[in-house]
Amino acid sequence: SQTIHQWPATLVQPVGSPLSLECTVEGTSNPNLYWYRQAAGRGLQLLFYSVGIGQISSEVPQNLSASRPQDRQFILSSKKLLLSDSGFYLCAWAPRPQGQLNTEAFFGQGTRLTVV
Amino acid sequence: SQQGEEDPQALSIQEGENATMNCSYKTSINNLQWYRQNSGRGLVHLILIRSNEREKHSGRLRVTLDTSKKSSSLLITASRAADTASYFCAKIAGSARQLTFGSGTQLTVLP
Repeated sequence: SQTIHQWPATLVQPVGSPLSLECTVEGTSNPNLYWYRQAAGRGLQLLFYSVGIGQISSEVPQNLSASRPQDRQFILSSKKLLLSDSGFYLCAWAPRPQGQLNTEAFFGQGTRLTVV
Repeated sequence: SQQGEEDPQALSIQEGENATMNCSYKTSINNLQWYRQNSGRGLVHLILIRSNEREKHSGRLRVTLDTSKKSSSLLITASRAADTASYFCAKIAGSARQLTFGSGTQLTVLP
């Protein structure tokens, strides 16, 4: 069966420090991968998605970047964190659609990032 | 950008009552999906309805889709305290594979 791992679960980082959040998927190949950010009590904002190794699409200009060095690994990074980067970060994967895009997404448990 | 907007933003009901949440969207869809999120956790997929479907059931869940009005509704019947969570609608935007979510409805079911 497929599983998604996201870590760490919580993180407190000072302003100006670097960030690396990792997400890995097991039990599938060629997944679409997504990074979302969720502010407290709000909806999910799509940050990045990837349809293959090295293929990253950014949805919003920001202080963050993403990379996909391996098929089932998705990394969210920042060189220098800002206070506004605080939030709940969620990684998700979806099967590579075949024909119609009738697929659901599967989410990790999230990382709560607090920038102080 | 958020492609689905839910209303109400918050809903509080008594156990046993039905809960209805609505979702509107702006562009054409292949399907619309509903997810649930318990506080501080990841999202869990509930149900997917295709653009050529009008209604779908799964247990106590009933989803309708009106493509002419670009809207969908999620009905939870005979609600339970354990249904307390945030509920989101989501859609895939065309061929670009972005899965985008609305702002969610916070449902509280009081025992």
